[in-house]
Amino acid sequence: DGGITQSPKYLFRKEGQNVTLSCEQNLNHDAMYWYRQDPGQGLRLIYYSQIVNDFQKGDIAEGYSVSREKKESFPLTVTSAQKNPTAFYLCASSMTRLAGDGKQYFGPGTRLTVT
Amino acid sequence: GQNIDQPTEMTATEGAIVQINCTYQTSGFNGLFWYQQHAGEAPTFLSYNVLDGLEEKGRFSSFLSRSKGYSYLLLKELQMKDSASYLCAVRDLAAAGNKLTFGGGTRVLVKP
Repeated sequence: DGGITQSPKYLFRKEGQNVTLSCEQNLNHDAMYWYRQDPGQGLRLIYYSQIVNDFQKGDIAEGYSVSREKKESFPLTVTSAQKNPTAFYLCASSMTRLAGDGKQYFGPGTRLTVT
Repeated sequence: GQNIDQPTEMTATEGAIVQINCTYQTSGFNGLFWYQQHAGEAPTFLSYNVLDGLEEKGRFSSFLSRSKGYSYLLLKELQMKDSASYLCAVRDLAAAGNKLTFGGGTRVLVKP
């Protein structure tokens, strides 16, 4: 079955530690995205990548880093510089805009709690 | 930049109809998406509008007016499982790639 996987579903860390969230897709999509969602709010874009070995900052990139070494994978590192890291993190992928409506498909999310 | 507004919460009765409005301001509109998100889960795609008019998909319909910067999602014959948040998202021509900007979401509560 094609889809997007994120692991783990729940993650707990102590303040001051970096943590990496994984995102893998087998949909053969070129573009991948990371969003953050806080309780009762919409999605805010952290980073996105349109092609392997290239990525751009979204609206709230400070305190986060990403890599895109393979088409299937787009891991997100939440660094100790991120002031409020506790949130629900969603990964998404899509075909490029020129290939259809370009709708984004989402993974199941990782709920990160930092204490 | 973009500004997307939708109501925070709506309540409706099972079997009824609910209309969720979304207004947006963008320098170069290039498509509007509606997603459904159950609590703690991933958003799932509902509809896409890029031209004016109504798109119907079973119990769900979505309408777009580009000149008014306005869309609505219509949910008919409401079922308890429709209790969820509904997210409006807009794509801008100027946005690199396929970037979407999301509204804050509308939480719909369906009561028996």
